[in-house]
Amino acid sequence: ETGVTQTPRHLVMGMTNKKSLKCEQHLGHNAMYWYKQSAKKPLELMFVYSLEERVENNSVPSRFSPECPNSSHLFLHLHTLQPEDSALYLCASSQEQDGNYGYTFGSGTRLTVV
Amino acid sequence: LAKTTQPISMDSYEGQEVNITCSHNNIATNDYITWYQQFPSQGPRFIIQGYKTKVTNEVASLFIPADRKSSTLSLPRVSLSDTAVYYCLVGPMFSGGYNKLIFGAGTRLAVHP
Repeated sequence: ETGVTQTPRHLVMGMTNKKSLKCEQHLGHNAMYWYKQSAKKPLELMFVYSLEERVENNSVPSRFSPECPNSSHLFLHLHTLQPEDSALYLCASSQEQDGNYGYTFGSGTRLTVV
Repeated sequence: LAKTTQPISMDSYEGQEVNITCSHNNIATNDYITWYQQFPSQGPRFIIQGYKTKVTNEVASLFIPADRKSSTLSLPRVSLSDTAVYYCLVGPMFSGGYNKLIFGAGTRLAVHP
């Protein structure tokens, strides 16, 4: 257990479905992130939330909608996805404090769009 | 954000020391160097971070020359479980209260028996 929990671990959805990915951290971190990792591609930063406010949105299509209701939870709402959206979606959190500058990642949600 | 260049892949054998070098010629004064490890279907795991000279922890060492234009991650006596992708990242720490880490392709390390 890394301190960042993502559910579900695996998700298969049709192109007309609506689903949500959930991320939860109990580390007291104040920044949370969504990354997408497609096969044989580098991780792509999608969204950044700092103090529950979205501060980065890296040209992500509107079919991906993030939500951060509080500092411990982050959601990624999905609707009308395309097969090319199939990927590993990773959540991470971080906190600025002396001696600790790293991200803590969750284990990811493996998404397959059919 | 400074661009990094690292080898696409490396091979080693159990018990050997592995050194992975990363080039970051346009590193900025306030940039730190951070290394992550990723196993298949898992999120990356923070390994080590440094600003200059040498940093050592229980799993690795990080060597940074005076000009900071490159860095070397050193893994002592690797085992099969060290087979993973290793990422070198360069960027300012917590600018605005959060990090914006941009991952490259990483180095795929394969450790053989």
